[in-house]
Amino acid sequence: DSGVTQTPKHLITATGQRVTLRCSPRSGDLSVYWYQQSLDQGLQFLIQYYNGEERAKGNILERFSAQQFPDLHSELNLSSLELGDSALYFCASSAWRVSYNEQFFGPGTRLTVL
Amino acid sequence: LAKTTQPISMDSYEGQEVNITCSHNNIATNDYITWYQQFPSQGPRFIIQGYKTKVTNEVASLFIPADRKSSTLSLPRVSLSDTAVYYCLVGLTYNNNDMRFGAGTRLTVKP
Repeated sequence: DSGVTQTPKHLITATGQRVTLRCSPRSGDLSVYWYQQSLDQGLQFLIQYYNGEERAKGNILERFSAQQFPDLHSELNLSSLELGDSALYFCASSAWRVSYNEQFFGPGTRLTVL
Repeated sequence: LAKTTQPISMDSYEGQEVNITCSHNNIATNDYITWYQQFPSQGPRFIIQGYKTKVTNEVASLFIPADRKSSTLSLPRVSLSDTAVYYCLVGLTYNNNDMRFGAGTRLTVKP
C-alpha cells in the first residue's frame, strides 16, 4: 500500500460525457502527478501540481483539466470523452525533495468509455 | 529528459540473477537514473535510484559506469513474483516537466 488513494476504482461512461477522478496523496506529500496508461501508449505523464499550483504539464489534452485543493487532494476532470480516452489513470505523490524524487503511485482508476 | 533504450522483454528462471541494461547516451551532468517496477493493473513502484558507481538496497543493485551512458539494474535470485515491467528513467529529480516512462522491459520469470 503506497498511501495514495484514488477513487473510483472503475468508471464506465459514454462518449461525450464528463467524469472526475479523485486522488488523495500520501500524508505530507505536496506534489501530485497524474498519468494515463493505455495499451498502445504506455504510461504518459499528464500534469503535476505542487502545493496547489500547477508545476509541470505533459501530454494533457485541452479536454482534460486538473486542480489541487488546499487539503492537497487532487481531481482530474475529463470532458467530451472519446473512446480513445479509455485507459488506466494513475495518480502519484512525492515529497518534492531536491535530491530525491521517489513517486508513490495509487492503485489507479480504470476508465471505460463506451 | 534523456532518451532511454531498454530491451522490450527478458525471460529468466527462478533463483537466477537478472540484469537489465538501459542505454542513455545523452544523459546530462545533473541527471539521476531511476528504476520503477510495475505489475499488471497496478501503479509503478520505485525500486532504486542512483547517480554514479553502484547503489544497493534490499531489493536490487544499480550499476552505473563512469561515463554514465548506461546503467544496469540487477535483481538477485528472482522469483515468480518478480515478473513485471521494469522502467528506466533518466532526468533531474526535481524537474518533472518531461517525465516519460517509455516502453519498459517486460521480465518473465519461469519456474
